[in-house]
Amino acid sequence: ETGVTQTPRHLVMGMTNKKSLKCEQHLGHNAMYWYKQSAKKPLELMFVYSLEERVENNSVPSRFSPECPNSSHLFLHLHTLQPEDSALYLCASSQDSPGLAGRWGEQFFGPGTRLTVL
Amino acid sequence: EDQVTQSPEALRLQEGESSSLNCSYTVSGLRGLFWYRQDPGKGPEFLFTLYSAGEEKEKERLKATLTKKESFLHITAPKPEDSATYLCAVQVVKNSGYALNFGKGTSLLVTP
Repeated sequence: ETGVTQTPRHLVMGMTNKKSLKCEQHLGHNAMYWYKQSAKKPLELMFVYSLEERVENNSVPSRFSPECPNSSHLFLHLHTLQPEDSALYLCASSQDSPGLAGRWGEQFFGPGTRLTVL
Repeated sequence: EDQVTQSPEALRLQEGESSSLNCSYTVSGLRGLFWYRQDPGKGPEFLFTLYSAGEEKEKERLKATLTKKESFLHITAPKPEDSATYLCAVQVVKNSGYALNFGKGTSLLVTP
């Protein structure tokens, strides 16, 4: 257990459905992330929140909508997805502070949600 | 453009046969290099962070090293439970300072 939980673990949805992915971290971190992992591709950063404020939006289509109501919870709202959006969606958290000599904390990942879009 | 390349893509070792995985990078403003292990159906598990050339970190059978252009993950006398995909990521300076650029990973299989 890394202290980052994600629900659901598996999700199958049609292209017209609306669903949400949930992430919760129990590590006291103040930064949270959404990544997409597709087969044969590197992990792709989607969104970053620090202190509940979105600080990075990596050119993600608007059919993905993130929400961070507090520093422990992160959601990814999905609507009108395409089959190519099928992937493993990973949430991560880290401690956002310069730390030693301007360094940033390592990211801890949840188990992911395996999403299939039909 | 920032790039991270891992080699080999896949590696098969006999139990006890030591080897190294490579992560080469071309980035501007490197803040840190991270190694993760990922088992099938799970999220990446943090292993090491390296910040400057010459730095080394060890954990059980794994040792990570860093130069100005690449990092190696040395696996000494591996066991079947070391089988996993090993991911390398570099943290680069961006507007927010939070970006991790990942390589595609090396899939390691250790046979008894």
